[in-house]
Amino acid sequence: AQSVAQPEDQVNVAEGNPLTVKCTYSVSGNPYLFWYVQYPNRGLQFLLKYITGDNLVKGSYGFEAEFNKSQTSFHLKKPSALVSDSALYFCAVRAISTSGTYKYIFGTGTRLKVLA
Amino acid sequence: DAGVIQSPRHEVTEMGQEVTLRCKPISGHNSLFWYRQTMMRGLELLIYFNNNVPIDDSGMPEDRFSAKMPNASFSTLKIQPSEPRDSAVYFCATSSDRLRGEQYFGPGTRLTVT
Repeated sequence: AQSVAQPEDQVNVAEGNPLTVKCTYSVSGNPYLFWYVQYPNRGLQFLLKYITGDNLVKGSYGFEAEFNKSQTSFHLKKPSALVSDSALYFCAVRAISTSGTYKYIFGTGTRLKVLA
Repeated sequence: DAGVIQSPRHEVTEMGQEVTLRCKPISGHNSLFWYRQTMMRGLELLIYFNNNVPIDDSGMPEDRFSAKMPNASFSTLKIQPSEPRDSAVYFCATSSDRLRGEQYFGPGTRLTVT
C-alpha cells in the first residue's frame, strides 16, 4: 500500500538551532511531495513542494526540503528555528493510484516545538 | 481573493440530526477535497472532486456521509444521521491543475455531536 511516514510525533529544538522534520514515503512512480504547516485552530497552509529538478526545494518562511530518491525521503529543514515556527507539520504525497487517478496521502503530522 | 470559505465555522447538534457542511472554493480551482481531523485519527481525506466529479471517495467512513458538488463554486458534505463519533474538525481544500497538487485549505468547521 502507498504510504507516508513521519516517524516523530514531536520534535523539540532550541531557538536559533537548525531543525529537521523527517518524512519518508512509499509510493509507485514519481510522486509529487509537499509540506504543510498547521497553526492552532487554523487550516493547513502550503509550505513547499517538489515535482522535479533540483533536489533542494525552498519554500515559505525560510523552510526548505531535500528530496532523496534513493532513501525515499523528503525531510523539512530550516537553518535557524524561531519560536513562531512552533506548529504541526504535515508531509504529503500525490501519487498515481491503481485506477490511474491521483491519490493524495498525508502523514500523521509532527509537532514542532521551538524553545526560547 | 477570499480564499476557501467554509460554513458554518462551528456546529453543535444532537445525535441523530442531519448536518450539512458547506464549502466555496477559490475561484478557478477545479479540484475540491473534504478532510476530517481528530486527535485520535489525525487528518483523513474523505473525498475529492475534480471538475465537479467525485474521483476518490474511499475515505468516506460510511453511508451516513455523502458529498456533492453541484457546480464549480459550491460543495456540501452531509452527515445523516449524525453520531457523537463524528465530532471533528472538517476541512475543505481546493486546488487547480496549474498548481499540480498544491492545496489551499479553508478555516474548517468544528462539529460537535452530543
